[in-house]
Amino acid sequence: EVQLVESGGGLVKPGGSLRLSCAASGFTFTNVWMSWVRQAPGKGLEWVGRIKSKIDGGTTDHAAPVKGRFTISRDDSKNTLYLQMNSLKNEDTAVYYCTKGWESWGQGTLVTVSS
Amino acid sequence: QTVVTQEPSLTVSPGGTVTLTCASSPGAVSSGHYPYWFQQKPGQPPRALIYSTSNKYSWTPARFSGSLLGGKAVLTLSGVQPEDEAEYYCLLYYGGAYVFGTGTKVTVL
Repeated sequence: EVQLVESGGGLVKPGGSLRLSCAASGFTFTNVWMSWVRQAPGKGLEWVGRIKSKIDGGTTDHAAPVKGRFTISRDDSKNTLYLQMNSLKNEDTAVYYCTKGWESWGQGTLVTVSS
Repeated sequence: QTVVTQEPSLTVSPGGTVTLTCASSPGAVSSGHYPYWFQQKPGQPPRALIYSTSNKYSWTPARFSGSLLGGKAVLTLSGVQPEDEAEYYCLLYYGGAYVFGTGTKVTVL
């Protein structure tokens, strides 16, 4: 059974940093492209970024609102996806989901940016 | 700036049919956008229903179908059930970036 478990969310001040993790199990993590998606309270879904599998180059793409501030990475030895978030803004407040190829999603982790 | 627009809300009677659309601005939606459709219920993560315009996952009920029509991606729910009440989002691919639609709240009444 595919499982994705996000962690690392919490309360952080504007300008601060946070690193989210997504622990994956139940599938061959190495072969899969992974994405982060966020959802602000009461709002719609927003794509944050994606990382390809190493065999496909391991490259990343990030959405315009987070480019230069957020970085997606992966550790295939630990079956874990990461989202490093720097220079956080109030508008980054959201539940952050990781997703495997869009068909499997974690339950999300809440990030609150507030002074 | 790419904007993907959906109807804000739609109401349908149980057993009825409802059609949701997904429009891209600028330009028309094509198969090259690989349209996805997701269902999301309150407090839950999204659940994928349709990929690449019209393909269903193993868990997608037969009453859901996807297509392209008039330059838009379309999700049709036929024989709507009460449990279909949810928010529905489309997702389009723009060559290295993805954009979610604004979402449609479907009410079954």
